[in-house]
Amino acid sequence: GAVVSQHPSWVICKSGTSVKIECRSLDFQATTMFWYRQFPKQSLMLMATSNEGSKATYEQGVEKDKFLINHASLTLSTLTVTSAHPEDSSFYICSARGPFGDTQYFGPGTRLTVL
Amino acid sequence: KNQVEQSPQSLIILEGKNCTLQCNYTVSPFSNLRWYKQDTGRGPVSLTIMTFSENTKSNGRYTATLDADTKQSSLHITASQLSDSASYICVVSANNAGNMLTFGGGTRLMVKP
Repeated sequence: GAVVSQHPSWVICKSGTSVKIECRSLDFQATTMFWYRQFPKQSLMLMATSNEGSKATYEQGVEKDKFLINHASLTLSTLTVTSAHPEDSSFYICSARGPFGDTQYFGPGTRLTVL
Repeated sequence: KNQVEQSPQSLIILEGKNCTLQCNYTVSPFSNLRWYKQDTGRGPVSLTIMTFSENTKSNGRYTATLDADTKQSSLHITASQLSDSASYICVVSANNAGNMLTFGGGTRLMVKP
């Protein structure tokens, strides 16, 4: 089956620094990638949708200047949390969808802790 | 507004027992419904996917049902194991541009020895 990886799996950073999270589709070309955020005991919340080679579409309430998304290739999307603050601490999950069908394959997630 | 409601929010059962999780949805137009298992600190893993015409689908000890008329689905776990302890998320896909997903809040299942 399709495999999606994320790196790093967990990261701890100081307040004010920027953190980059990578999402890769390992065995298929992902024309669309999605970024989700999940707070403890809550379900996934879609942050943004990115299509390869174009700007990401952000959900309402998500600051595009704070959460920079780059989908430069068909196998890689990155999420950069700029000037991170403790309230940005969360579990970030990406998913990838190929050019056919609507199946999203989820990555294992990245735990971000901002001190 | 598209919504997916799951019940119960949490459930504790003894190892070996069966349980059933519920999912009600108001997503339109409906494309498919999936059940995911999410272990703590991990991404969701797909258990079953059901389209409009499917009533039942099994994956090992997991059996999902779908009633498209009442817009309800259930996930039945048979002979539970300790490793079944996880969150189970019902996700409904809309048959529209983008095929956006609507997530349920999940049911946190704990299986005790």
